[in-house]
Amino acid sequence: DTGVSQNPRHKITKRGQNVTFRCDPISEHNRLYWYRQTLGQGPEFLTYFQNEAQLEKSRLLSDRFSAERPKGSFSTLEIQRTEQGDSAMYLCAGTGGASILTGELFFGEGSRLTVL
Amino acid sequence: KNEVEQSPQNLTAQEGEFITINCSYSVGISALHWLQQHPGGGIVSLFMLSSGKKKHGRLIATINIQEKHSSLHITASHPRDSAVYICAVGSGNTPLVFGKGTRLSVIA
Repeated sequence: DTGVSQNPRHKITKRGQNVTFRCDPISEHNRLYWYRQTLGQGPEFLTYFQNEAQLEKSRLLSDRFSAERPKGSFSTLEIQRTEQGDSAMYLCAGTGGASILTGELFFGEGSRLTVL
Repeated sequence: KNEVEQSPQNLTAQEGEFITINCSYSVGISALHWLQQHPGGGIVSLFMLSSGKKKHGRLIATINIQEKHSSLHITASHPRDSAVYICAVGSGNTPLVFGKGTRLSVIA
């Protein structure tokens, strides 16, 4: 258990619906990343936060995707008007404090999205 | 953008065998990570390397910065080592770039 929790673990939705995923990192994690992973592929970077500031967004993050990290604690990733191509595992990872020096990332278990 | 290639893609080994997984990258980096992903998605960080070699239990990771290559070795492999092993590289504060992973199955 890395101490990073993600909810929900699984989400099945119909095309066109909106979904929201939540990530609760360890309290000392001032840096938080969102990644997307499809079957047989490695994780792909979506966006990351330093405290509450969103510092970088991948081109993978279309305007249907939005991420927030109010107060620099938990983060949410919302997908509007879902498409079948959005089906993937959405992974959250945090780092901060001493782990910034080691570069260690702490991943959550992921939220698996299936769009029908 | 850095390109990360892992080999082999899939590997099946008998319990007790010595296993090597390779990772090559295209652009100079400040750190390379080896990660382990179990079925269901959970990813665990195994090593972070910037030079030389690190050992943890039966796992050994090496990196050759000049050749842009790293290897992960598992000695005396065990069925519980079965997982996907992922290499990821980073430079400065840029987000990590991940390989596609190597799926390892160790048979008793």
